Amino acid sequence: RKEVEQDPGPFNVPEGATVAFNCTYSNSASQSFFWYRQDCRKEPKLLMSVYSSGNEDGRFTAQLNRASQYISLLIRDSKLSDSATYLCVVNQAGTALIFGKGTTLSVSS
Amino acid sequence: EAGVTQFPSHSVIEKGQTVTLRCDPISGHDNLYWYRRVMGKEIKFLLHFVKESKQDESGMPNNRFLAERTGGTYSTLKVQPAELEDSGVYFCASSQVNPSGYTFGSGTRLTVV
Repeated sequence: RKEVEQDPGPFNVPEGATVAFNCTYSNSASQSFFWYRQDCRKEPKLLMSVYSSGNEDGRFTAQLNRASQYISLLIRDSKLSDSATYLCVVNQAGTALIFGKGTTLSVSS
Repeated sequence: EAGVTQFPSHSVIEKGQTVTLRCDPISGHDNLYWYRRVMGKEIKFLLHFVKESKQDESGMPNNRFLAERTGGTYSTLKVQPAELEDSGVYFCASSQVNPSGYTFGSGTRLTVV
C-alpha cells in the first residue's frame, strides 16, 4: 500500500466550477499535512498546510480527518490558472516529506 | 531573498558516466533535502542534511549515489556510474526548523542514455 494515495485524475472542469481532491495516508503517526502545487516542469510549491480544524485560504479549503487518515482540498470558482498537479504531502516530526503522486487539474474556458 | 538554486537545470549523460548535481539552499537554512521524481512515480526522499551532517540518508537508492555538504552551505549529489534508471528530476529543498517552511529548487532534469 502506498504511503500517500491520491486519485491521479485528470480532473477536467470548466472555469467557475468547484472541484474536490481527496488523499489518504497510511501512517497514523503522521503529524503534518500539506497540499503542494506543481506546474508542468516546475518545482513543487506549498499551497497550504492542513490543520485538524480545517482551514481556508481564499478559494481553497483544506480538511483533515485523522480518524479516517483522509485529507481533502476543495477549490471553488476554478480559474484557468489553477490548472496544475496538486500533491498531497505528509510527514512525521523531524522526518522527510512523503508525497503522493499528485492529482492533475485542467481548467478550461 | 534568493531562493534555492540548483545547477545544472538539465543534464544528459551516457550510462557509466559521472554527474554531479549542485544545490545552493536559502542562506541560513540548516536543513537541506534531496528528493527525486522518476517518470510516472511520486517524488521520493533521498536524504537530509542538518548543516554538514547527514541526518537521514535512508532514501539513497544505492552506493552509486554520494551526497556531501561540506561547510554546511551548498550540497552536491554525485552519481557514479550513472545507470538508465537514474533518469529523473532531482529536487533540492531547504528549510529552517519548521518543515512547513520547505522551499524547493527548480530541479535538475537528469537523462541517462
